[in-house]
Amino acid sequence: EAGVVQSPRYKIIEKKQPVAFWCNPISGHNTLYWYRQNLGQGPELLIRYENEEAVDDSQLPKDRFSAERLKGVDSTLKIQPAELGDSAVYLCASSSLQGYYEQYFGPGTRLTVT
Amino acid sequence: DAKTTQPPSMDCAEGRAANLPCNHSTISGNEYVYWYRQIHSQGPQYIIHGLKNNETNEMASLIITEDRKSSTLILPHATLRDTAVYYCIVRVQASYDKVIFGPGTSLSVIP
Repeated sequence: EAGVVQSPRYKIIEKKQPVAFWCNPISGHNTLYWYRQNLGQGPELLIRYENEEAVDDSQLPKDRFSAERLKGVDSTLKIQPAELGDSAVYLCASSSLQGYYEQYFGPGTRLTVT
Repeated sequence: DAKTTQPPSMDCAEGRAANLPCNHSTISGNEYVYWYRQIHSQGPQYIIHGLKNNETNEMASLIITEDRKSSTLILPHATLRDTAVYYCIVRVQASYDKVIFGPGTSLSVIP
């Protein structure tokens, strides 16, 4: 089966510019997660979707970050405007309601804000 | 979620067993122990999980102490490709439960 797909893999932008990340989860996976990973740290959850509903967005900085998951499949994470501190790797993961809820991660998007 | 404690780094000789410890002294009765690893420039990869019995799959073995306050992930014959950061996580087995990653253990497999 195909894994979690993310694009782009790398993005360099100037501060105050907008940026968007795209994620296509594993087919049939109802749950989708966005994480942010700073250098030398473990991933930190930003938002979790169950189908098209955002059920946990408590860690999402809502003043500049937004996310959507139309039709309960693909998802987009947006930052507007970007700040220097947003430089990180943004990871998308998905999981199924069957099984043991292990999460499958994409390769991530490395964002550099200059 | 219960918190976990792992050594920040470990070395292992290629071909030898790598034993990665994890302390989770405040684990609750319904929380499972999960292990993930993250190879450089890739997303984390699920390895194995368990509740109280030892578990084994094609990647690794998981040994959980009887009191469940600690566990050990065993890679029986470490290869250079096993060089990665290994995360030990405890969580309830449910889709709504957060996965909280700590800093993990950076394992270096030495030729």
